[in-house]
Amino acid sequence: GQQVMQIPQYQHVQEGEDFTTYCNSSTTLSNIQWYKQRPGGHPVFLIQLVKSGEVKKQKRLTFQFGEAKKNSSLHITATQTTDVGTYFCAGQNAGNMLTFGGGTRLMVKP
Amino acid sequence: DTEVTQTPKHLVMGMTNKKSLKCEQHMGHRAMYWYKQKAKKPPELMFVYSYEKLSINESVPSRFSPECPNSSLLNLHLHALQPEDSALYLCASSHAPVRDEQYFGPGTRLTVL
Repeated sequence: GQQVMQIPQYQHVQEGEDFTTYCNSSTTLSNIQWYKQRPGGHPVFLIQLVKSGEVKKQKRLTFQFGEAKKNSSLHITATQTTDVGTYFCAGQNAGNMLTFGGGTRLMVKP
Repeated sequence: DTEVTQTPKHLVMGMTNKKSLKCEQHMGHRAMYWYKQKAKKPPELMFVYSYEKLSINESVPSRFSPECPNSSLLNLHLHALQPEDSALYLCASSHAPVRDEQYFGPGTRLTVL
């Protein structure tokens, strides 16, 4: 079955440093979604990428979808304490449900 | 209204109890989902309802029984659960099945004693 791997599992950064999480799928994806889950909260949708090589930005967040549509990344510039949480990628094959990656837990030291 | 609501927020039950989790959305979404999430793990899909019909059951034990009374409501009936079923149960919905972003509810924190 489809597997989606995400690295790193954990990342501690100093406030103001950059952060990147990477997502790799065992199969070609039709799209990939990113979610953020704050501690004690529920997943909240951030963005969806559909096209090969697509890059989207949301303020300090930059999302990329690989050319082969098997990998993706989320980069946060100049982290803030409000960025704390677990970031999940979720990949989708044509006709299949979302498969979530294991998540990257981001901790930001003020 | 862009909210998915879930009740109760917390539930403690014994292994012989029968209880139900409820989920509601008023966004006109036609797909609704149940997920189970253990601590420090990603959500695991349990069931998908598409246009009020069960379309996916991810090999979930029969002690979990979903129900979709109408397009806005989703229930999860629980019976004879095991302690390892303790987890956060998340409901989600999306405009269309499969391809759209999912809106998650706050979840029900379930503890089975």
